[in-house]
Amino acid sequence: DQQVKQNSPSLSVQEGRISILNCDYTNSMFDYFLWYKKYPAEGPTFLISISSIKDKNEDGRFTVFLNKSAKHLSLHIVPSQPGDSAVYFCAASATRGNEKLTFGTGTRLTIIP
Amino acid sequence: GAVVSQHPSWVICKSGTSVKIECRSLDFQATTMFWYRQFPKQSLMLMATSNEGSKATYEQGVEKDKFLINHASLTLSTLTVTSAHPEDSSFYICSARRRTGTSAGTSTDTQYFGPGTRLTVL
Repeated sequence: DQQVKQNSPSLSVQEGRISILNCDYTNSMFDYFLWYKKYPAEGPTFLISISSIKDKNEDGRFTVFLNKSAKHLSLHIVPSQPGDSAVYFCAASATRGNEKLTFGTGTRLTIIP
Repeated sequence: GAVVSQHPSWVICKSGTSVKIECRSLDFQATTMFWYRQFPKQSLMLMATSNEGSKATYEQGVEKDKFLINHASLTLSTLTVTSAHPEDSSFYICSARRRTGTSAGTSTDTQYFGPGTRLTVL
């Protein structure tokens, strides 16, 4: 049972435009959500997180939106840069991150120069 | 801050030998570390949760006698793949959990990952 889903395996975006990556979850116990960026043969790099008490968190070019009623979150990257090309994983946890992370299957983002 | 290192970054060994992988949190203490495995073009699969000073908690289907975990200090966890076989060849990644505060006054725990170790068993 895939509790965290990223339905788009890949996404291509023109440099300078906005990249929107989506993630859906099914477990209503999840209350903490994270986005990680991963290059091949490297460990994931933490990007941004959001607690269920908020619906938006922003850090520089990265903004995460959380819609609890729809059990949906999205990561916005604007403006997109070539260095943003990577695989992005969303992850969810219960008890504010104290529980183990459940990862989505990832979305490969390609920024077109 | 929140740097996690792994050593070695890659290792090639003969079938039947044991391999030890180290995971260190360099600038924070981590009472809990995690070990993951990633197969090509797949997501990360949690293998076990490593708790400082106590036994690791293994996920269903992971052999605890095959994958020995020791969390001897607040900054070091080790994974030993015993009697490695070619099917154990994979990319192993550790993470360390760090508690962070928020503006709302509640704390959250974020996992920071190491760079991974590529294991190839011949």
